[in-house]
Amino acid sequence: KQEVTQIPAALSVPEGENLVLNCSFTDSAIYNLQWFRQDPGKGLTSLLLIQSSQREQTSGRLNASLDKSSGRSTLYIAASQPGDSATYLCAVTSAGYSTLTFGKGTMLLVSP
Amino acid sequence: GAGVSQTPSNKVTEKGKYVELRCDPISGHTALYWYRQSLGQGPEFLIYFQGTGAADDSGLPNDRFFAVRPEGSVSTLKIQRTERGDSAVYLCASSPQGRGATEAFFGQGTRLTVV
Repeated sequence: KQEVTQIPAALSVPEGENLVLNCSFTDSAIYNLQWFRQDPGKGLTSLLLIQSSQREQTSGRLNASLDKSSGRSTLYIAASQPGDSATYLCAVTSAGYSTLTFGKGTMLLVSP
Repeated sequence: GAGVSQTPSNKVTEKGKYVELRCDPISGHTALYWYRQSLGQGPEFLIYFQGTGAADDSGLPNDRFFAVRPEGSVSTLKIQRTERGDSAVYLCASSPQGRGATEAFFGQGTRLTVV
């Protein structure tokens, strides 16, 4: 059974810092990995989707990497801003399945 | 519509009552998913539809939970004899196709509170 772990559970940084969020998964046979953002009381907003054949994806100040063989992904946020404060969720689609397995998320607080 | 729409956004019900939660996916998306998120946890899979049929319902916790998608678009999640442990945010997502190849888009969720 696929399990997804996110470290750290919470992170607090001052504005302007670069930061890395970590995600690991136990079964490397995946179709893809997706990073989401969730604001309090809201649904999930997709940030980046990395297919299993890809190594990284970039969108603005966000860069996500994937090392499928070691079961790891990182989300790099450059020059963090208070508006980046949210919970960041990592999810994988395992090979042979069509559904997402989520981690518990990293709660990020960026202070002005 | 532009995105996945879920109604109601909040639902408070008494223990033992029946509730229905509605999801309107992005137009043209054939795959539709229901997830449940408890406080401080990541979403957990409940059921997946490809078209009108339930392709995978292995995440439904018990037979009090049931979902339909009769015309391959709107879906309704139905919970009978609600219990306090059913309190959670119920999230719906859709994608252009199944088999994990494409991006999933989520709605804002329905927060269910059973008192």
